[in-house]
Formats: sequence, structure tokens, C-alpha cells
Amino acid sequence: QVQLQESGPGQVKPSETLSLTCSVSGGSISSYYWYWIRRPPGKGLEWIGYIHSSGSTNYDGSLMSRVIISTDKSKNQFSLRLNSVTAADTAMYYCARGRAYGAIEYWGPGILVTVSS
Amino acid sequence: QSVLTQPPAASGTPGQTVTISCSGGISDIGRNYVYWYQQLPGTAPKLLIYGNDQRPSGVPDRFSDSKSGTSASLAISGLRSEDEADYFCASWDDSLSGVVFGGGTKLTVL
Repeated sequence: QVQLQESGPGQVKPSETLSLTCSVSGGSISSYYWYWIRRPPGKGLEWIGYIHSSGSTNYDGSLMSRVIISTDKSKNQFSLRLNSVTAADTAMYYCARGRAYGAIEYWGPGILVTVSS
Repeated sequence: QSVLTQPPAASGTPGQTVTISCSGGISDIGRNYVYWYQQLPGTAPKLLIYGNDQRPSGVPDRFSDSKSGTSASLAISGLRSEDEADYFCASWDDSLSGVVFGGGTKLTVL
């Protein structure tokens, strides 16, 4: 059974960079699509982007200029970097494994990131 | 504002059948599969329905979906108290080249 676990700071200052890592166990990141999704307080789910095992990436248009998703196959991890954060980036962040076109099968428990000085 | 439109709330009594709608457009639901996710309070979302009314292992057949044109619906029959959760629809949007979600529907079991 694939398991995912997010890690990183729970608080980031405005204008700084949010960095999260997702550790994957029970399966290799050399296959499938690896997603980042967030849910701001009181709002719905928002797709941030994904990276395919081939290394190709796809990001939400509204975040594209600020986001990078990458993998570290030696550690079986993938990461999210979101720069120039504002309070609007405060959310529960989830890493997940899925297939193309939005079929997201396995999710991490999530990590709350608050943007605040 | 979400690309896909869902009612913000729905409710039903135990044993009833509840339906949650999801409205989109040609470039998303009209041309692509719809996925449904259940998010219980304090937990991560869970894939409920994928493809053409397919359910991952462990998801009871009380959950089913249908699609017509640019709209889809999730039906929950034999409603139980443990079904109280937020439900999200999702699809691929060919125009945006990305995944789009509905705003979510909070289901209350009365």
C-alpha cells in the first residue's frame, strides 16, 4: 500500500518561499503522476500541479510563475516550492499519487502551512 | 471561483438517497472523465468514483455517478451518518490543460 507523508515548516513569512517535501513509501516514484493539491481554510480543493515520473511537469496557470515541483528519486521523494507567498497561500497542503487527468488515488494526511509574519 | 459548480450544501436523513450535482463545460466534463472525492472532517480527500462509474476497492456500491453532457451527479443511496463529509467533483480541462475541482458540497446527515 502506497503511503505519502508531507513535511516542512508550518509557518512561512510573507514574500518568502514555501518548501514542502513528500516522502513516499510502499512504491517507487519512478511511475505515475505525483500531485500537490491544497485546501485554503473555508474553501475548496485547488490543484497546484504535478510531476510525472518522466520528469515532465504541469502547473495551474494562476500559480505557474511561482511554483516548482521536483523529484529526488534517490530518496523516493518529491517537493513543492512556492515563492513570493502571501496570506492567500495559507492552506492545508496535500501530496498525492495519481494518474493523468485528475485520477488521484493516494493522498498524504496533509500539512497546514500558515503565511504570517 | 471554481471552474466546476457544485451546490455548497446538501442534506438527507438516514436511508435516503441524496444526489450532488456538478456542472461544467465542454472543455472539462463535456470531454473528460469526472472524479468524485470524499473528505471526512479532519482527514485527507479520498477517491470515491473514477472513470465511468468505477469505484476503488473498498468503496461501497451505495455511491454511484452519472454524466450527461457537461454535468455530472453523485448519488449516495442508503444514507448513513458516516457519509457526512465534503464531496468534490473534479475533471481535466482541455482549455486550461489542468485539473479543475468543484467548490465542494457539504453533506449533512440529519
